[in-house]
Amino acid sequence: KNEVEQSPQNLTAQEGEFITINCSYSVGISALHWLQQHPGGGIVSLFMLSSGKKKHGRLIATINIQEKHSSLHITASHPRDSAVYICAVKGRYGGSQGNLIFGKGTKLSVKP
Amino acid sequence: EAGVTQSPTHLIKTRGQQATLRCSPISGHTSVYWYQQALGLGLQFLLWYDEGEERNRGNFPPRFSGRQFPNYSSELNVNALELEDSALYLCASSLVVDEQYFGPGTRLTVT
Repeated sequence: KNEVEQSPQNLTAQEGEFITINCSYSVGISALHWLQQHPGGGIVSLFMLSSGKKKHGRLIATINIQEKHSSLHITASHPRDSAVYICAVKGRYGGSQGNLIFGKGTKLSVKP
Repeated sequence: EAGVTQSPTHLIKTRGQQATLRCSPISGHTSVYWYQQALGLGLQFLLWYDEGEERNRGNFPPRFSGRQFPNYSSELNVNALELEDSALYLCASSLVVDEQYFGPGTRLTVT
C-alpha cells in the first residue's frame, strides 16, 4: 500500500463545476503539500498545510490530521485548471524525515 | 526574486555515459532536494542536501550521487546511465523547514 493515496486518478469536469480531489496518507507528517503540474513538467506549489484550511482564489485545501486526510477543492472550474494535481507529505520520522512522499497524482481535464 | 533554476533543460545521453544536472536554489535557501519523475511513475525522492551535507537519500543505487556547493547550488550526477534513468529530474529548494519551491526540471533521455 502506498503511503500517500489520491483519488480519483482521473477526473473530467465541465467548466464551472465544483471539483474535489482527495488525499489520504498513512505516515506521520510535518506538512502536506498540494502541487500542480502542467504538461511540460513544471511544478507549482499550491498549498502547504499542517492544519485546518487554506484558500487562494478559487482553490481551497483542507486537512484533517486525526483522520490523515486532505482535500483540494476547485470552485467554478475552468479549462486552464486542467493539470495533474499531486498530494505530497513531508515525513516527520525516520527515513522519511525531510523529504516529500508523493501521491500518484490526479489528472484533471476541464472541458469548456 | 529569481526562482529555482535548473540546467540544462534537456539532456540526451547514451547508455553507460554519465550525466550531470545542475540546480540553483532561490537566494538564501540552504536546502536543495532532488526528485525523479520517470514516465508513467510518480515523483520519487532522490537526495536532500542542506548546508553542504547530504541529509537524506531515497531508494536509489549509488550511481546516483550529488553535492552541494558553498553557494548552496547543487549538482546531481548519474553514472553508468541506464535506459530506465530517462526521466524528468526536479530540484526544489527551501529555507525554513517544510516549504519547498520547485524548479522547471531537466528532462534526461538515455538512448
